[in-house]
Amino acid sequence: ELKVEQNPLFLSMQEGKNYTIYCNYSTTSDRLYWYRQDPGKSLESLFVLLSNGAVKQEGRLMASLDTKARLSTLHITAAVHDLSATYFCAVASGSRLTFGEGTQLTVNP
Amino acid sequence: EPEVTQTPSHQVTQMGQEVILRCVPISNHLYFYWYRQILGQKVEFLVSFYNNEISEKSEIFDDQFSVERPDGSNFTLKIRSTKLEDSAMYFCASRQANQPQHFGDGTRLSIL
Repeated sequence: ELKVEQNPLFLSMQEGKNYTIYCNYSTTSDRLYWYRQDPGKSLESLFVLLSNGAVKQEGRLMASLDTKARLSTLHITAAVHDLSATYFCAVASGSRLTFGEGTQLTVNP
Repeated sequence: EPEVTQTPSHQVTQMGQEVILRCVPISNHLYFYWYRQILGQKVEFLVSFYNNEISEKSEIFDDQFSVERPDGSNFTLKIRSTKLEDSAMYFCASRQANQPQHFGDGTRLSIL
């Protein structure tokens, strides 16, 4: 059974700081996704990572994938309050996505 | 931008009653999904659907659950006899081949 673990689960950071969220998964997969969820809202697709060494960047967020280590990271650069949300990684296995527990990010002024 | 739409946004039902959650996937998508998220917990896969049949289902998706695509646009999730523990946010998603899943805004199901 595929297990997906994120850490930290809660992250409080100051504006302007950098931080990394980690996503470990237990079995081989060819696709990893990062989603953002605002309170009471749906899941917004941020990144799709398809191959070892893949790196994608959008604004202050950068995601990477190491399939050998079964590890993905979501790096936040110079955080701003608008980034406050819960971030999920999700690993594809067959036709399903298995989600991590989510990282609740709070960016404080 | 095309969206996955779900109705109703909030459904309150008595325990033991049947409930149908409705979804309209993005029109050119071929793969459809239901997930649920119990309050404060992670998103859990329920079922995937392709070519008018279930392609995969989780252990959560027992005989109380069923899915249907009754016409060319709707995709429904039915829970036959609801239990308290069915209270959750239910998300529908759809995608094209080799593309990310797009999620709807969800239906909040409250079982009393």
